[in-house]
Amino acid sequence: GAVVSQHPSWVICKSGTSVKIECRSLDFQATTMFWYRQFPKQSLMLMATSNEGSKATYEQGVEKDKFLINHASLTLSTLTVTSAHPEDSSFYICSARDGLTVNYGYTFGSGTRLTVV
Amino acid sequence: GDSVTQMEGPVTLSEEAFLTINCTYTATGYPSLFWYVQYPGEGLQLLLKATKADDKGSNKGFEATYRKETTSFHLEKGSVQVSDSAVYFCALKESGGSNYKLTFGKGTLLTVNP
Repeated sequence: GAVVSQHPSWVICKSGTSVKIECRSLDFQATTMFWYRQFPKQSLMLMATSNEGSKATYEQGVEKDKFLINHASLTLSTLTVTSAHPEDSSFYICSARDGLTVNYGYTFGSGTRLTVV
Repeated sequence: GDSVTQMEGPVTLSEEAFLTINCTYTATGYPSLFWYVQYPGEGLQLLLKATKADDKGSNKGFEATYRKETTSFHLEKGSVQVSDSAVYFCALKESGGSNYKLTFGKGTLLTVNP
């Protein structure tokens, strides 16, 4: 079945540094990528939606200059947390949608645990 | 806008007990409905889905029926196992248009004890 590989699975960084999270679709074309943030024991909060080759659409309240999303190819999307601070510590999950097949399914990455110290 | 309300839990059951996790939704059209499962430290996996009224999604012994009249999509399993311990999310996707966003409920933590 469809697989999305998300890396790293966990990362610890110092305050003020930037962290890049990658999501790759391994056997399908990710026409749309969704980036979520999940706080402990809470649901997923959609941060942004990106279509391949286009600028990402950010949800209200999400700083686009802080959370940079690149979706330059049909198999790779990245989320860069710039100038990270402790309040950015969270679990980040990507989800890819294959809009080119009949299934139109969503495939989730395994998540990235970010800890900013 | 669209919304999903599900039983918050946590739910604690003994092995082989019957499980029901309630989910109701609000949507303007005829959404597709999903149940996702999240094991500790992992991303979400699709458990089952239904795309139109009266459809029944099923997988791994879990079932849910799309009830338009009650705007519900309750998850059930007749006999749970310890390995079913996870967080379960109900979700919907709007019908039509080019908006492919999923709207999630808050999740229900299920713990199954031996």
